[in-house]
Amino acid sequence: DAGVIQSPRHEVTEMGQEVTLRCKPISGHDYLFWYRQTMMRGLELLIYFNNNVPIDDSGMPEDRFSAKMPNASFSTLKIQPSEPRDSAVYFCASGSQGRKDTQYFGPGTRLTVL
Amino acid sequence: AQSVTQLDSQVPVFEEAPVELRCNYSSSVSVYLFWYVQYPNQGLQLLLKYLSGSTLVKGINGFEAEFNKSQTSFHLRKPSVHISDTAEYFCAVSDTGLYEKLTFGTGTRLTIIP
Repeated sequence: DAGVIQSPRHEVTEMGQEVTLRCKPISGHDYLFWYRQTMMRGLELLIYFNNNVPIDDSGMPEDRFSAKMPNASFSTLKIQPSEPRDSAVYFCASGSQGRKDTQYFGPGTRLTVL
Repeated sequence: AQSVTQLDSQVPVFEEAPVELRCNYSSSVSVYLFWYVQYPNQGLQLLLKYLSGSTLVKGINGFEAEFNKSQTSFHLRKPSVHISDTAEYFCAVSDTGLYEKLTFGTGTRLTIIP
């Protein structure tokens, strides 16, 4: 199994630009999570989906952030417009209904907003 | 809502020495507890978990943790560390009724000194 795949691995952009992060969960998993990791705030859950439906987006910082899961094998996290304070590592993780107690993390996308 | 406190942000330990990484949690409901490990430039990986039963749980790579309900703690231990244990360790908690939603601590960076 390829594990959770995230792209790009690194993204450098300028303030005001739109950024799209992508995630492919493990095949057969029906939960998908987006996290943000910063030095100041640690690892925060932004949003998670079950069967492609957003269940809890209370961690999404503001309207500039949006996430979609159009099908079971693909999700995006979009920031528009981006700001320097959005610089962080963004992780995607997936899990299955039968094993909700275990999440499998991707390698992360390191975002730098100049 | 739950919260997790990892008091030690960095722990240096000599190779082959024992180590304990501390984790305390706060919650008004029953919880599940987890330790995840993040190796450099990688995503998080589940190390061990406490769901129910024996309060002493064993995980991968020789790590173990003990759930202490009265002290609301879930400290991670290893009797003899190796260079390859150098990583960041995250304690996490979830509500037993919603255990796919994890709250993470700020992490402890374990550095092994040769």
